[in-house]
Amino acid sequence: QVQLVESGGGVVQPGRSLRLSCAASGFTFSNYAMHWVRQTPGKGLEWVAIISSDGSNKNYADSMKGRFTISRDNSKNTLYLQMNSLLPEDTAVYYCAKGRFKTPMSFLFDDWGQGTLVTVSS
Amino acid sequence: DIVMTQSPDSLAVSLGERATINCKSSQSVLSSSNNNNYLGWFQQKPGQPPKLLIYWASTRESGVPDRFSGSGSGTDFTLTISSLQAEDVAVYYCQQYHSSPLTFGGGTKVEIK
Repeated sequence: QVQLVESGGGVVQPGRSLRLSCAASGFTFSNYAMHWVRQTPGKGLEWVAIISSDGSNKNYADSMKGRFTISRDNSKNTLYLQMNSLLPEDTAVYYCAKGRFKTPMSFLFDDWGQGTLVTVSS
Repeated sequence: DIVMTQSPDSLAVSLGERATINCKSSQSVLSSSNNNNYLGWFQQKPGQPPKLLIYWASTRESGVPDRFSGSGSGTDFTLTISSLQAEDVAVYYCQQYHSSPLTFGGGTKVEIK
């Protein structure tokens, strides 16, 4: 069955960087677009970014554009999120999620990981 | 951006009774090219990630009980739980996948009365 396991979260100071990883198994990773979605108690669920199945196409939420970079390594079945210039409002649980359809840029996602907590605080 | 507005914020329903959740989008999520509504519903139980229940506004995901149904078109959508079970206690979110940025409603918490 599909397994998505996030890692890399933790406590980081404002302005610093962090890289999240999502290890995928149970499906052909290179056939599916992948997403990052975050959740905070205050703002609920917020979509962060999508990357196409081959990694050639990326799209970001406006508030993350220029600070966050989504990438993937299909040879390692792993998705990444590089987060730079972190702000306190980036504090959230970050989930990776798999595209629902076997198309390069499926905007709908189905399976989610358990999430990794990122806390931005001095 | 398409703003998704859910109502109510919470509701308490007796076991076996119907629960109805509404979702309104600020722009139509109906595609003229394929006549599909790009609207999904997710269920999130405490301590768990969200789970996809319904997509294309009314298509149940595999394994989802048939007491869950979705309806609506354009900008107005509804998730109905026909006979509430104890395991349905959760927060429910609508989400549009019509256009980027993808956006979610604020969630509706369903509890047992």
